[in-house]
Amino acid sequence: NAGVTQTPKFQVLKTGQSMTLQCAQDMNHEYMSWYRQDPGMGLRLIHYSVGAGITDQGEVPNGYNVSRSTTEDFPLRLLSAAPSQTSVYFCATTGEKGSPLHFGNGTRLTVT
Amino acid sequence: AQSVSQHNHHVILSEAASLELGCNYSYGGTVNLFWYVQYPGQHLQLLLKYFSGDPLVKGIKGFEAEFIKSKFSFNLRKPSVQWSDTAEYFCAVKRSGSARQLTFGSGTQLTVLP
Repeated sequence: NAGVTQTPKFQVLKTGQSMTLQCAQDMNHEYMSWYRQDPGMGLRLIHYSVGAGITDQGEVPNGYNVSRSTTEDFPLRLLSAAPSQTSVYFCATTGEKGSPLHFGNGTRLTVT
Repeated sequence: AQSVSQHNHHVILSEAASLELGCNYSYGGTVNLFWYVQYPGQHLQLLLKYFSGDPLVKGIKGFEAEFIKSKFSFNLRKPSVQWSDTAEYFCAVKRSGSARQLTFGSGTQLTVLP
């Protein structure tokens, strides 16, 4: 039982390049979300989804797109990377309301 | 907008010292409260949570937290820290009515000296 799997673990991009961060879960959780973690700022919510076909914006959605075609997968797309998107990205899921979030191991992204 | 404040950015303690990390939130309605821990190079893990009932909640590894509604606070405590407690600690709040989004504090880095 893998839980929440994020790929890749590390990525370096040049400004303007695009990429997709993958998140897959095998816990059949309805809720999936993406956070970015920056020093001194904690974790900030980028986008979230409460089920297949449903997505919504979080606190810092600009520059990121998401889709949720299946329960298991919730990819995060950077269409044109900027240095301000250098960060550690965490995918998190949860089942029933009130249950704690389960986090993936993170993707460390550097944009030069 | 709801905010979560962790006033201690970096705490340094010796082993066996007592720990208290502060957490305050700004939302006035019903909330669920969490403390997460992030060990170096790892993802966040749940330490403890408060939903309702006894305001003193006990978590894993000897941690506990007290919810004081009148002070909008949820401080984390441990009577005697160990070197292995060195990590970053995050307070998080979920307000009632939100889907399942958490708002996190900025984190407190705890360093325990052997």
